[in-house]
Amino acid sequence: GAGVSQTPSNKVTEKGKYVELRCDPISGHTALYWYRQSLGQGPEFLIYFQGTGAADDSGLPNDRFFAVRPEGSVSTLKIQRTERGDSAVYLCASSPQGVVDTQYFGPGTRLTVL
Amino acid sequence: QQQVKQSPQSLIVQKGGISIINCAYENTAFDYFPWYQQFPGKGPALLIAIRPDVSEKKEGRFTISFNKSAKQFSLHIMDSQPGDSATYFCAAKLQGGSEKLVFGKGTKLTVNP
Repeated sequence: GAGVSQTPSNKVTEKGKYVELRCDPISGHTALYWYRQSLGQGPEFLIYFQGTGAADDSGLPNDRFFAVRPEGSVSTLKIQRTERGDSAVYLCASSPQGVVDTQYFGPGTRLTVL
Repeated sequence: QQQVKQSPQSLIVQKGGISIINCAYENTAFDYFPWYQQFPGKGPALLIAIRPDVSEKKEGRFTISFNKSAKQFSLHIMDSQPGDSATYFCAAKLQGGSEKLVFGKGTKLTVNP
């Protein structure tokens, strides 16, 4: 079956621009997670949705970052006024019951801010 | 207190050898410790996980050893194969808290043929 998909796979933008990164979770998975992975580092938690609501957004670095999941399926991570330090791979994961034991990751979106 | 410290940063092993990666934590409220495997250009994939009520878990060639008193856990890969060459991450989750994971910085494993 289809896994977690993320689009685009690569995004190059200029400093100050706005970007949207999309995540399509595995069908039926109620929980969705966003992580950020900088070069040579482990994934860093950003936000976690249970259904449509953000259950934990404690990892969002500042108010330039925002994520939505309006229908409890697809999620969009939105970054305003991008900075060079935002360059990283943004990973999305989903799980069927919001239990981390069964968390499946997508391939990520590589964001480069010039 | 929310960190997981992983070592070594990189590891080179001969085919058939044993690969050992270590992680340490401070927060005793962590209650779930998974290991993830990541190939270049791919997302992390769950390899094996353990909870603190057991000291060891084995799945095929992969074993987690857990030392609750020392607040350390390790991944052992027996009979390492070139196909095991990847980056490995340990992680931890807080008991009763959010379903988020705290990851170590990763270990790049190279298994030479």
